[in-house]
Amino acid sequence: DAKTTQPPSMDCAEGRAANLPCNHSTISGNEYVYWYRQIHSQGPQYIIHGLKNNETNEMASLIITEDRKSSTLILPHATLRDTAVYYCIVRPLGAGGTSYGKLTFGQGTILTVHP
Amino acid sequence: DAGVTQSPTHLIKTRGQQVTLRCSPISGHKSVSWYQQVLGQGPQFIFQYYEKEERGRGNFPDRFSARQFPNYSSELNVNALLLGDSALYLCASSPRGPSSYEQYFGPGTRLTVT
Repeated sequence: DAKTTQPPSMDCAEGRAANLPCNHSTISGNEYVYWYRQIHSQGPQYIIHGLKNNETNEMASLIITEDRKSSTLILPHATLRDTAVYYCIVRPLGAGGTSYGKLTFGQGTILTVHP
Repeated sequence: DAGVTQSPTHLIKTRGQQVTLRCSPISGHKSVSWYQQVLGQGPQFIFQYYEKEERGRGNFPDRFSARQFPNYSSELNVNALLLGDSALYLCASSPRGPSSYEQYFGPGTRLTVT
């Protein structure tokens, strides 16, 4: 799986947009970008995923650059409950083989939302 | 609907002992994965089971083993515990096949080895 690089920490004011970057310059053509987050003392939570088009769901938006070497997770109106560690993961969607269900988590970005 | 459940919540064991952790997936989910999360690190993949068969194994010693039951619940066993096995053990279930990206995690079991 391609390696990802994320800033170790970020701050955001409550109500403002939180933009979390992820670099994945070695991403392959069949690899998707996934985002998970882990709130303190809980298991990780799936947020969103994408291949090359921008994606949006009820939790967040995912912007992937045209060359797919980086992406940004956007929380449009951050709340205190969004304070968590955010993980950017790159892996193939499926097709079995050695990819199976393994998620490779890095260090992630600690997002702190301030009042 | 109930999410992924794990038991026990916390556990304290002594070096050399054996431990069994349990996981019940979301109803209808046939795939279960186990992860180890050491303090300050991201979760590390241990095993995945789908339809009662092992489909993936991470870089963990043979002291770690797991199995999945006909009702899709799963157990993780760790033998000959070491201090370094102290961690949060997470279980995740998936609604689709073994390569599904969409995994739902339980709250974890906090294991402390003294």
